[in-house]
Amino acid sequence: DAKTTQPPSMDCAEGRAANLPCNHSTISGNEYVYWYRQIHSQGPQYIIHGLKNNETNEMASLIITEDRKSSTLILPHATLRDTAVYYCIVRPLRRGGKLIFGQGTELSVKP
Amino acid sequence: NAGVTQTPKFQVLKTGQSMTLQCAQDMNHNSMYWYRQDPGMGLRLIYYSASEGTTDKGEVPNGYNVSRLNKREFSLRLESAAPSQTSVYFCASSEYRGADTQYFGPGTRLTVL
Repeated sequence: DAKTTQPPSMDCAEGRAANLPCNHSTISGNEYVYWYRQIHSQGPQYIIHGLKNNETNEMASLIITEDRKSSTLILPHATLRDTAVYYCIVRPLRRGGKLIFGQGTELSVKP
Repeated sequence: NAGVTQTPKFQVLKTGQSMTLQCAQDMNHNSMYWYRQDPGMGLRLIYYSASEGTTDKGEVPNGYNVSRLNKREFSLRLESAAPSQTSVYFCASSEYRGADTQYFGPGTRLTVL
């Protein structure tokens, strides 16, 4: 599975957009980009995924560059409850495939 | 819809004791997983079950056994607990449709003394 690189930490002001970058320069054509987050002491929570088109759901937007070598997760109006570690994961679509969680980005939303 | 549930939430064991962690999902998913998470580290896959009746080893299977009891339930057993198994254990499930998104339970915090 392709490796991902994320900044270890980021700050964001409450109410502002949080833009979390991820590099995945070795991504293959059949690999999806997934984003999960883990709020302290809780299980990881699925946020969004995409293959090559930009995606939006009720939680976030995912922007994938045209060459698919990087992506950005956007939380449009960050709240204090969005403080968490955010994981960018790249993997192909296959049954029973594990998710490889790297170190992620620790996002702190401040009042 | 409860999603993925795990019992117990917390457990303390002595070295050499055995126990079973229970996981159930009500989303009719085919695949289920057990991960462990140690402080400052990402999640590592212990075992998974791609479908009812099958199980496969993940990255760190030593010291564990699993049972896929039926489509809903996937249990993880520690036969002889060791301090190195002190960790937070997460169960997850997914449906092999679309992007095979995995959904996680709240975790079991296990301490082995």
